[in-house]
Amino acid sequence: DAGVIQSPRHEVTEMGQEVTLRCKPISGHNSLFWYRQTMMRGLELLIYFNNNVPIDDSGMPEDRFSAKMPNASFSTLKIQPSEPRDSAVYFCASSLSWLADSYNEQFFGPGTRLTVL
Amino acid sequence: RKEVEQDPGPFNVPEGATVAFNCTYSNSASQSFFWYRQDCRKEPKLLMSVYSSGNEDGRFTAQLNRASQYISLLIRDSKLSDSATYLCVVIETNSGNTPLVFGKGTRLSVIA
Repeated sequence: DAGVIQSPRHEVTEMGQEVTLRCKPISGHNSLFWYRQTMMRGLELLIYFNNNVPIDDSGMPEDRFSAKMPNASFSTLKIQPSEPRDSAVYFCASSLSWLADSYNEQFFGPGTRLTVL
Repeated sequence: RKEVEQDPGPFNVPEGATVAFNCTYSNSASQSFFWYRQDCRKEPKLLMSVYSSGNEDGRFTAQLNRASQYISLLIRDSKLSDSATYLCVVIETNSGNTPLVFGKGTRLSVIA
């Protein structure tokens, strides 16, 4: 079975450019999460969706970041305009469901390594 | 800001050694706890849940101390393949805000 799929695996871009990261969750999973990982700040939850609806985006650093989930099998995280401090590994994860009083294992994708010059 | 703290390490231990990591959390409303493992340049993967009564999975033992607000992970008979970064995860139900927080991880290096 395919796990969580992310593309691209590596992205190098220049400051000011738009960056779009893509994620395909595991089929049948209803919850999707976007994370950012850096050495300084560790793994940070940016936003998560339940049944394609954004539930909590309080982790999104600023308005330059936006995320969408138009259907159950696809999500994007967009940075516009990008800045050097956005350089990080961005992970997408999915789980069967995310409820306030229960937890299902999150399965992570391989990540996108973003470098903004 | 919710805080989940881990000693970053690295912990350098010989094969066969027993090693333990702690993870402290600041929010007493935290409800669920987990350990994830992350290999170098790979994604995190769930290692084990942490139950109130403590739980064991082979060479791995996880414990929760609510009074002192920390969880621990004990690895017995360390293998070279245990070398990785171990992340603790704290989940706060009914938080109304970002409900889950990862620690920055503790790096373990098992040496032959």
